[in-house]
Amino acid sequence: GQQLNQSPQSMFIQEGEDVSMNCTSSSIFNTWLWYKQDPGEGPVLLIALYKAGELTSNGRLTAQFGITRKDSFLNISASIPSDVGIYFCAGPGSNDYKLSFGAGTTVTVRA
Amino acid sequence: GAVVSQHPSRVICKSGTSVKIECRSLDFQATTMFWYRQFPKKSLMLMATSNEGSKATYEQGVEKDKFLINHASLTLSTLTVTSAHPEDSSFYICSARDMGVHNEQFFGPGTRLTVL
Repeated sequence: GQQLNQSPQSMFIQEGEDVSMNCTSSSIFNTWLWYKQDPGEGPVLLIALYKAGELTSNGRLTAQFGITRKDSFLNISASIPSDVGIYFCAGPGSNDYKLSFGAGTTVTVRA
Repeated sequence: GAVVSQHPSRVICKSGTSVKIECRSLDFQATTMFWYRQFPKKSLMLMATSNEGSKATYEQGVEKDKFLINHASLTLSTLTVTSAHPEDSSFYICSARDMGVHNEQFFGPGTRLTVL
């Protein structure tokens, strides 16, 4: 699959702080997906983006589909302990439905 | 909606035995399901695409005779790890593509396989 570069790799934050992570790709994506994975569980879809420039919110989560269609970011506002986990960006290839995944951002929240 | 289940959630087996993992889409039909493998602290690695009514397509480096995939219905795909060895120990996750919702993929909860 295509290579997605996700950063940062990990972050330690205080409860109440905002969190931001992003993904970039060398090729154009038509869809950007953001997932969260808790330990020992499968990824859960948080936000799906379908149009360049689209800004979508889901509670305290906000994600944007970059205008160039080669990047996306995810923000978490006012973090809480249950935000701990690994966040992955993903996107399907142009000719099939196979997802390419970023390496993940591990978020740890200090109470 | 869009719930995917996996069974079993955990399995421990002896080296040389075969293990079957089931993936079910509970409230939607999925002509395509995917099987992933995940190592600790790593991202998901796609193993194969499971196509209902036809043969699975495997990613490069994945042995099709080792990891048998059957997608006999629109809601069920199975992965059988044949003659398992300790190096096959891993977290296996399936996903199902919901054709009715922008082709989004929904993941199962995963199966932890430990081969002794």
